[in-house]
Amino acid sequence: DAKTTQPNSMESNEEEPVHLPCNHSTISGTDYIHWYRQLPSQGPEYVIHGLTSNVNNRMASLAIAEDRKSSTLILHRATLRDAAVYYCILRASYGGATNKLIFGTGTLLAVQP
Amino acid sequence: GAVVSQHPSWVICKSGTSVKIECRSLDFQATTMFWYRQFPKQSLMLMATSNEGSKATYEQGVEKDKFLINHASLTLSTLTVTSAHPEDSSFYICSAREGGFGRGPKYGYTFGSGTRLTVV
Repeated sequence: DAKTTQPNSMESNEEEPVHLPCNHSTISGTDYIHWYRQLPSQGPEYVIHGLTSNVNNRMASLAIAEDRKSSTLILHRATLRDAAVYYCILRASYGGATNKLIFGTGTLLAVQP
Repeated sequence: GAVVSQHPSWVICKSGTSVKIECRSLDFQATTMFWYRQFPKQSLMLMATSNEGSKATYEQGVEKDKFLINHASLTLSTLTVTSAHPEDSSFYICSAREGGFGRGPKYGYTFGSGTRLTVV
């Protein structure tokens, strides 16, 4: 599986935008970029995913570099409830629902009031 | 959206006993489910892939006789930790994705809320 690299931790202030980077220089053309977050003592929660184009949903935006070797998860206005570990994961597009997700170490986001 | 229910949310058991954890997809069919284990301050580690109607596929280093997986229906997978010992104490999490014909990789994975196992 292609590997991703994320900063161990980041800090943000409440109500400010947060940009969480992820490097995936060995990404293949068929890999989707997935983002999940995990709050303390809970299972991970799906945030967003994309293939080539930037994506937006109610939770966040995903900006994908033109060469796809990096991506950035954007939280437009951080809240205290966004404090979590954020994982960037690559997932092959073939294989349907059988494709497993391999988690890296993720980025621990702290949000200051 | 898709919901995965995991039960129990926490369990304490005595060393040497077995514990069963259930994972249900509530509003979709999941031919494949995944089981993870997470130790404190660490990331999720994939243990096995659970396949409906067939044997589970275990990741390297995971003892299949210790972590029994049964996926008897399209909505239920169970993980049984047999002869549990204190070192098996961990946070166990299951996951699934709504899949099937015509539903390609456009969808994310849904995770259960996890089961905190403490072996004393």
